[in-house]
Amino acid sequence: QKEVEQDPGPLSVPEGAIVSLNCTYSNSAFQYFMWYRQYSRKGPELLMYTYSSGNKEDGRFTAQVDKSSKYISLFIRDSQPSDSATYLCAMSYSGGYQKVTFGTGTKLQVIP
Amino acid sequence: GAVVSQHPSRVICKSGTSVKIECRSLDFQATTMFWYRQFPKQSLMLMATSNEGSKATYEQGVEKDKFLINHASLTLSTLTVTSAHPEDSSFYICSARFGVQETQYFGPGTRLLVL
Repeated sequence: QKEVEQDPGPLSVPEGAIVSLNCTYSNSAFQYFMWYRQYSRKGPELLMYTYSSGNKEDGRFTAQVDKSSKYISLFIRDSQPSDSATYLCAMSYSGGYQKVTFGTGTKLQVIP
Repeated sequence: GAVVSQHPSRVICKSGTSVKIECRSLDFQATTMFWYRQFPKQSLMLMATSNEGSKATYEQGVEKDKFLINHASLTLSTLTVTSAHPEDSSFYICSARFGVQETQYFGPGTRLLVL
């Protein structure tokens, strides 16, 4: 079993839809959770960063962490064609020089 | 967000040659830099972690003599692919982290094609 599981998609939605992207993980020691967006042939770009459980909102993006279920989500409201990319979840243990574990990424396509 | 650059963005070389890729943090001092490779439609695979002034820590299965990493300063790390072969063709991405923060800032990546 992989430490982090993420549905690879592709996920196709119409413009304006609410998108839900999810990851599950097996190691309860993970404390820090991140979402990255990666456009084709580009490096990942940090979108959201949360510590422990709870919600965090930034513009059209909302990140949720449910540590009891070992489940994290990224919601995108009013999705735009420019949101079409691969979204990677990532997580790590407690602070310090710890390795970050990435999901395989979900490819999202927002259709105009 | 923080800016990380990579150079070159794309390189094509003949089998047997060595290729050097630079990774620079432009607006912060990166105490830790990471090197990843990514195959098409796959996620990032961590190759090694390097802290400024010390030897890199390589992940299991990554040949340290083939992938030489130098982290000479707080703003520059280099990855040298020695005696490159076609199977080394991939997308190489670096990232940088400041202090004990968990977030990593990624460079734009370098696409290597070995003929």
